[in-house]
Amino acid sequence: ETGVTQTPRHLVMGMTNKKSLKCEQHLGHNAMYWYKQSAKKPLELMFVYNFKEQTENNSVPSRFSPECPNSSHLFLHLHTLQPEDSALYLCASSHEPRTGQRTGELFFGEGSRLTVL
Amino acid sequence: GESVGLHLPTLSVQEGDNSIINCAYSNSASDYFIWYKQESGKGPQFIIDIRSNMDKRQGQRVTVLLNKTVKHLSLQIAATQPGDSAVYFCAEASLYGQNFVFGPGTRLSVLP
Repeated sequence: ETGVTQTPRHLVMGMTNKKSLKCEQHLGHNAMYWYKQSAKKPLELMFVYNFKEQTENNSVPSRFSPECPNSSHLFLHLHTLQPEDSALYLCASSHEPRTGQRTGELFFGEGSRLTVL
Repeated sequence: GESVGLHLPTLSVQEGDNSIINCAYSNSASDYFIWYKQESGKGPQFIIDIRSNMDKRQGQRVTVLLNKTVKHLSLQIAATQPGDSAVYFCAEASLYGQNFVFGPGTRLSVLP
């Protein structure tokens, strides 16, 4: 186990549905991330949260809405998605120092496989 | 967690042989590099990292080499085992940033 838990592992939704992906990390990290892994592209960074504050929004469409209520939990709210949004959505966490160099890598969850019909 | 559908470069090696997986990175300002392994149905797992002030770093059965002149990174796996079959990704980042940029990955197949 990586210490990063994602639910659900698989999700099928229609284009008019609203659903949410959940991520929880048990590593005491202070930064959390959403990545998208699709069949046609390498891992793409979507959102970054540091100390619960969003610090990066990588030009992600507004139909994806992140929420980070605390340093251990991260959500990705989904609404009116398109079939091309079908992908594996990976959550990751890391420990980020307030100042100075990073001390380690990203820890990934197992991912949520999303299929949009 | 598999990279289904990606037309990944594939490396096939005989069990027991050494494997070398290569990666070209794009940003000359990157100073932190990581190799990840992704098995079918799982998320990426950390293998080894290296900072730009080093050329080589060794772990258990793995070695990472960094050539900053040509922006090239390689992962060497000694005595490759069936359990090493997976997709391997390199990632580049800054030691002061959080934007990890991942390569497309290489699929390693270990032949019996």
